[in-house]
Amino acid sequence: EAQVTQNPRYLITVTGKKLTVTCSQNMNHEYMSWYRQDPGLGLRQIYYSMNVEVTDKGDVPEGYKVSRKEKRNFPLILESPSPNQTSLYFCASSLSAGLGQPQHFGDGTRLSIL
Amino acid sequence: LAKTTQPISMDSYEGQEVNITCSHNNIATNDYITWYQQFPSQGPRFIIQGYKTKVTNEVASLFIPADRKSSTLSLPRVSLSDTAVYYCLVGVSGGYNKLIFGAGTRLAVHP
Repeated sequence: EAQVTQNPRYLITVTGKKLTVTCSQNMNHEYMSWYRQDPGLGLRQIYYSMNVEVTDKGDVPEGYKVSRKEKRNFPLILESPSPNQTSLYFCASSLSAGLGQPQHFGDGTRLSIL
Repeated sequence: LAKTTQPISMDSYEGQEVNITCSHNNIATNDYITWYQQFPSQGPRFIIQGYKTKVTNEVASLFIPADRKSSTLSLPRVSLSDTAVYYCLVGVSGGYNKLIFGAGTRLAVHP
């Protein structure tokens, strides 16, 4: 089954404790991205990747890191999480970065930073 | 990027047809119009995409007038499971696939 898988689905942690949210897709998609969703602010892009070893900042990259060493994986790293990063996070992928390519989303990761 | 405007919420009843209109007055020549559906605590799901005229798939229809300044998502015979937030998106930025989500339309389907 074609899917985007995120782990963990839920995480409660404390300020400053490094964490990684994994994202994996099995569709051989070139393009992957991370979004966060907050009430009243909608979905905002954090980082995206056009292909392996090619990443760039989205609208709200501060406090986050990403890497794309393999085509299927695009982990989101919070080196020193803070409470303002408490949010619902989504990973998405699409066949390419071309115009209008539909994106496939994971089921989300709900992070709570205390 | 073309800004979109859609109703904040809509109510309907099971079995009815629902039409959600999105305004995008500044749509660019190369922009596609794409609709996503999102259920609570799930990621958005692609529904339909079009460039002009009418597009239909097994889930919905998308009507786009000639001037492309608006579009209408049509959901035939809705059921309770169609209760969700529907997002209209237009355009891409800088040649890569960046989605700009607005507030969406919260559709509530009642028995």
